[in-house]
Amino acid sequence: GQNIDQPTEMTATEGAIVQINCTYQTSGFNGLFWYQQHAGEAPTFLSYNVLDGLEEKGRFSSFLSRSKGYSYLLLKELQMKDSASYLCAAMDSNYQLIWGAGTKLIIKP
Amino acid sequence: GAVVSQHPSWVICKSGTSVKIECRSLDFQATTMFWYRQFPKQSLMLMATSNEGSKATYEQGVEKDKFLINHASLTLSTLTVTSAHPEDSSFYICSAGQPGGSYNEQFFGPGTRLTVL
Repeated sequence: GQNIDQPTEMTATEGAIVQINCTYQTSGFNGLFWYQQHAGEAPTFLSYNVLDGLEEKGRFSSFLSRSKGYSYLLLKELQMKDSASYLCAAMDSNYQLIWGAGTKLIIKP
Repeated sequence: GAVVSQHPSWVICKSGTSVKIECRSLDFQATTMFWYRQFPKQSLMLMATSNEGSKATYEQGVEKDKFLINHASLTLSTLTVTSAHPEDSSFYICSAGQPGGSYNEQFFGPGTRLTVL
């Protein structure tokens, strides 16, 4: 079956670094996506990885290992506004997104 | 990224009435639009996938006669909740993309909060 696993909740301190892990199992693979969702709002696109390696975009970076079925989202210099849920989603061979349940990130001062 | 709009942002209706939600891709042609539902503190749940000009594909457990989806053009899809009941109250979110094309990622609309009294 198809499955995405990510931690339910994480806590970090303002100014620190946090890594949110995601493992996936899909029928075929067309990329791994990370979205940010603030409470009461729709998700916003953060990153897309389809090749192995690290993609850096400002304070956010995303890593993919296809052989391990593993990705992580790295957030640096955490700010209070980064408190949100982070959704991992893998695209299968039918270009369908398989969604994780999301990781709620709590930032403390 | 591409811009997707949704209308209305929120709606309150009486039980038994029908509600139509519009989803528009404003600056690109979306071959595929997706409709999601999200209950408080729960993850996104895909309801259906619609491709322009063809019938929507509904996920298991989603009643196609209750949730009518029309995707008449590359920039507009509508979801009609027919004979709405209080248990249909939820946050409905659409997304648009071109899977396998220029936009593998999905761009989300701002969502519609439906409250059925």
